[in-house]
Amino acid sequence: LAKTTQPISMDSYEGQEVNITCSHNNIATNDYITWYQQFPSQGPRFIIQGYKTKVTNEVASLFIPADRKSSTLSLPRVSLSDTAVYYCLVGDGGSQGNLIFGKGTKLSVKP
Amino acid sequence: SAVISQKPSRDICQRGTSLTIQCQVDSQVTMMFWYRQQPGQSLTLIATANQGSEATYESGFVIDKFPISRPNLTFSTLTVSNMSPEDSSIYLCSVDAGTGNTFGSGTRLTVV
Repeated sequence: LAKTTQPISMDSYEGQEVNITCSHNNIATNDYITWYQQFPSQGPRFIIQGYKTKVTNEVASLFIPADRKSSTLSLPRVSLSDTAVYYCLVGDGGSQGNLIFGKGTKLSVKP
Repeated sequence: SAVISQKPSRDICQRGTSLTIQCQVDSQVTMMFWYRQQPGQSLTLIATANQGSEATYESGFVIDKFPISRPNLTFSTLTVSNMSPEDSSIYLCSVDAGTGNTFGSGTRLTVV
């Protein structure tokens, strides 16, 4: 499974757009990129998954360049409730249950 | 997506004792996964539990310490055996929800 690297922490203010970038230089051809969100005292929650280009859902957008060696999670107009740890994972989308988590990015949203 | 009920939500246990954590899913799933999250750390996969076969353990985790049961397609238990303070962690079960995994809310274990 490809190793991922992301910033340990980020600070933002309410209403701003937040972009968290993840590096995965050794991504394999059949690997998908998946992001999870974890609030304190809760299990991680799936946010978004993509293979290439751009994916958007009601929560976030995921931008993946052509070489797929990195990806960027974009959270539009964050609020205080978006304060959480965000994990970027790379793995085979067909057998993704046994996930390998990196250290994650702790996002702090301030008023 | 699947809904997971995990019990207990927290417990404080004496060293040398064992605790069994239960995970109930509202739909049938082939595989269930158990994770550990130590204080301030990321999640680490302990094992994968398949119904009808022995669990598959990750490096650093052994069956004698973390025995797992998987009696049917909606239920699994993880036992933390002969506990020491180093076992104080959050333990989470998870299932593959098709696109991404669904996690239980976790069991916060404190060993004293």
